Amino acid sequence: DAGVIQSPRHEVTEMGQEVTLRCKPISGHNSLFWYRQTMMRGLELLIYFNNNVPIDDSGMPEDRFSAKMPNASFSTLKIQPSEPRDSAVYFCASSLLETGELFFGEGSRLTVL
Amino acid sequence: DAKTTQPPSMDCAEGRAANLPCNHSTISGNEYVYWYRQIHSQGPQYIIHGLKNNETNEMASLIITEDRKSSTLILPHATLRDTAVYYCIVRVAGGSQGNLIFGKGTKLSVKP
Repeated sequence: DAGVIQSPRHEVTEMGQEVTLRCKPISGHNSLFWYRQTMMRGLELLIYFNNNVPIDDSGMPEDRFSAKMPNASFSTLKIQPSEPRDSAVYFCASSLLETGELFFGEGSRLTVL
Repeated sequence: DAKTTQPPSMDCAEGRAANLPCNHSTISGNEYVYWYRQIHSQGPQYIIHGLKNNETNEMASLIITEDRKSSTLILPHATLRDTAVYYCIVRVAGGSQGNLIFGKGTKLSVKP
């Protein structure tokens, strides 16, 4: 079975540019999570959705960050405008609401110059 | 802040059991203990979880103390591929899951 699929795997962009990260959760899963990982702060939960509805976005750093889940098989995390401090690995994870076991994608490594 | 406390690092000889401790003295009655690990440059991987009984699966065993204030993850025969950061997390399973907080974890180094 295909796991959580993230794209792009690597992204290098310049400060001020818009960045869009994409995630396809495991089919049938009804919860989706976006995490960010840096050396300094470790793994941070940014936002999560249950049944395509955002439940908690308190981890989203600021208004430059936005996330959408238009349907059960697709989510995006957008940063506009991007800044060097946004450089990190961004992970998407999905789970069944009933079990809580998260399956993570391989991450998108973002470098903002 | 994470609700768990783990040693920052541990070493283990290849083929021996790796015992990773975790303290969660403020755990609530409806919170489970979850373990994940993260191998370098990969996404975290689910290992096991439990509420109050000991659990075992193909990857590991989880021993939870009777008062539920601490637990131990056991890798019975550690291999070099088990070198990773291991995270112990307490959270409600299913329903309103709340904030899944990863602490700093334990960096396990399995040595030949």
